[in-house]
Amino acid sequence: DQQVKQNSPSLSVQEGRISILNCDYTNSMFDYFLWYKKYPAEGPTFLISISSIKDKNEDGRFTVFLNKSAKHLSLHIVPSQPGDSAVYFCAASATGSARQLTFGSGTQLTVLP
Amino acid sequence: DTEVTQTPKHLVMGMTNKKSLKCEQHMGHRAMYWYKQKAKKPPELMFVYSYEKLSINESVPSRFSPECPNSSLLNLHLHALQPEDSALYLCASSRGGSVGELFFGEGSRLTVL
Repeated sequence: DQQVKQNSPSLSVQEGRISILNCDYTNSMFDYFLWYKKYPAEGPTFLISISSIKDKNEDGRFTVFLNKSAKHLSLHIVPSQPGDSAVYFCAASATGSARQLTFGSGTQLTVLP
Repeated sequence: DTEVTQTPKHLVMGMTNKKSLKCEQHMGHRAMYWYKQKAKKPPELMFVYSYEKLSINESVPSRFSPECPNSSLLNLHLHALQPEDSALYLCASSRGGSVGELFFGEGSRLTVL
C-alpha cells in the first residue's frame, strides 16, 4: 500500500512555462514533506521542503504548496529550464517516526527547449 | 564538503561471494542510512544508524549486514545474495534529530549473477 503517490510517471513542459508536479499521501500522521530531484547515475538531491504548519514554501523558481485537507502537495517550477529535466520524488515523514522518509514513485520531468 | 561518497560505483558478484559497499561523509552528520532502489521504483529504507547505533532495521534479510565503524563511515556487508537483490544501493546522511534533509550519495549499482 503506497502511502505517498505520484500518479504521473512523466511530464513534458516547454521551456519558460510552469511545471506542476503533484503528490498525494494517505497517512494523516505525515507532517513534513520534501521534494528531491534525481539525475541519471546520481543520487537524489534535496530541493525544497515544507512543514505541515505551512501551506506554501518558496525558494527561487521552486514553490511547494501543501493542502492538508486534501492530503495533496504540489511542486511548481517557474520558469522551467532544460536543466530541470530529471526525476522528481516527493517524500514524507511523521514526527516521532525516527527518521523514516516514505518516497513516492517519482515523476520524470522533461523540459523541452 | 557537502558530499556523501559511495564505493564502488558498480559491483557484480556471484551468489556465493562476500563483498562490501562503503559510504563516507565528512559533514558531521550523526545519522546515516542505507536505501535500496529498484528501477522505476522509489528508494526503500533498509537501515538507519543514529549516533553510530543501529536504530532502524526495516526487516532486511540477514544476508545484508550493516556496520558503522565511526560517525563518518557506513558499510553494507553482502553475503549469499540473490539475483533479485540486484539494485541501486543508496547511502544518505542527515544532521540528526528529527528527520530532515537527507544528503544522498551517487549510489552503488549492484548486480548479482
